[in-house]
Amino acid sequence: KAGVTQTPRYLIKTRGQQVTLSCSPISGHRSVSWYQQTPGQGLQFLFEYFSETQRNKGNFPGRFSGRQFSNSRSEMNVSTLELGDSALYLCASSLEAVNTEAFFGQGTRLTVV
Amino acid sequence: AQSVTQLDSHVSVSEGTPVLLRCNYSSSYSPSLFWYVQHPNKGLQLLLKYTSAATLVKGINGFEAEFKKSETSFHLTKPSAHMSDAAEYFCVVSPWSYIPTFGRGTSLIVHP
Repeated sequence: KAGVTQTPRYLIKTRGQQVTLSCSPISGHRSVSWYQQTPGQGLQFLFEYFSETQRNKGNFPGRFSGRQFSNSRSEMNVSTLELGDSALYLCASSLEAVNTEAFFGQGTRLTVV
Repeated sequence: AQSVTQLDSHVSVSEGTPVLLRCNYSSSYSPSLFWYVQHPNKGLQLLLKYTSAATLVKGINGFEAEFKKSETSFHLTKPSAHMSDAAEYFCVVSPWSYIPTFGRGTSLIVHP
């Protein structure tokens, strides 16, 4: 079956702009979670959505938001981009919750200039 | 509160020799523990997970890990390294409250 698909793979944005990233989970998976990966901070949990509801949230400012649609596809939005938002953003899907097996996409590489 | 410490940022081995990647954790509750691998420009792939069943967990590609509660450790091992094992490895703790905490990663270098 198809894996987790993230689009786009690469993005270059300017400070102050906003960006939307997309994640299509594995068919049948209802939980989608998002992570930020940077060399300085490592992998950090952003938030998790389950059945269109945000179920858990990490320690990130309100500029980071997300949503999940009825088909379980999820989007993540970052507003008022800062240079420090440059990172690899990873999406993972699982059947019920990430403390079961999570399947990761290849990520979206965001560069803020 | 929970935390994960991967004791080595880099581990270098020769092909065919054993691999040991060390992970210590702390958690207020009985956690689930995972090891993931990330190859360059790829997402993370689950190697194995511990969820309070057997303390010795076998994963994919010949990896295994032993959960030692008394030592709060979950070290990853493999008897014989292969060149294709060169990658970044992450230890993850995920308690019942769900929010996972990742270790900083260990880069495994395999020499021919």
